[in-house]
Amino acid sequence: GDSVTQMEGPVTLSEEAFLTINCTYTATGYPSLFWYVQYPGEGLQLLLKATKADDKGSNKGFEATYRKETTSFHLEKGSVQVSDSAVYFCALGSSASKIIFGSGTRLSIRP
Amino acid sequence: EPEVTQTPSHQVTQMGQEVILRCVPISNHLYFYWYRQILGQKVEFLVSFYNNEISEKSEIFDDQFSVERPDGSNFTLKIRSTKLEDSAMYFCASSEQGSQFFGPGTRLTVL
Repeated sequence: GDSVTQMEGPVTLSEEAFLTINCTYTATGYPSLFWYVQYPGEGLQLLLKATKADDKGSNKGFEATYRKETTSFHLEKGSVQVSDSAVYFCALGSSASKIIFGSGTRLSIRP
Repeated sequence: EPEVTQTPSHQVTQMGQEVILRCVPISNHLYFYWYRQILGQKVEFLVSFYNNEISEKSEIFDDQFSVERPDGSNFTLKIRSTKLEDSAMYFCASSEQGSQFFGPGTRLTVL
């Protein structure tokens, strides 16, 4: 079945460092890909999405490109801030169907 | 900005008791979902609901679980006889057809 694999955490970086969180997927068909973020004590927020191959999703300085050839959707940000500390979930889904989540990557940013 | 709301934010119950978790989806959305996240684990799909019936459910969603849309605004998840392993954060989500928007979650603790 469909699945998502993302890099194990926790990831600890200094402020202004470059961030990459790797995500790969296995899917039949052509799902949409998502990154969700969960700040401490809060629910899941959609960070960005891409609906087809070569699409780039972006939001709040974060980017991810839908790479069909490598089945990847890596999350990147050029300069992280302390406020980016959260758990990041890579996910896939098809229109109106369930979302399948990766295991989450905890990100901690040091001032 | 419209958002999904859930009540209560935290529910404590005794094993074997029934609980009802409540959600108010975004008003023009047609698809509704429940997910759960056991502490420290990934977010897992439970059930999706469309046009007043279940459209898909996972293996977790056994006979102890049921969902209902009792009126035009609420969407509920009932657990008939709670078990210790039902302790988790339960997230409701809704969508028009594309991206799913999540509520803040209800933390269920079964003692």
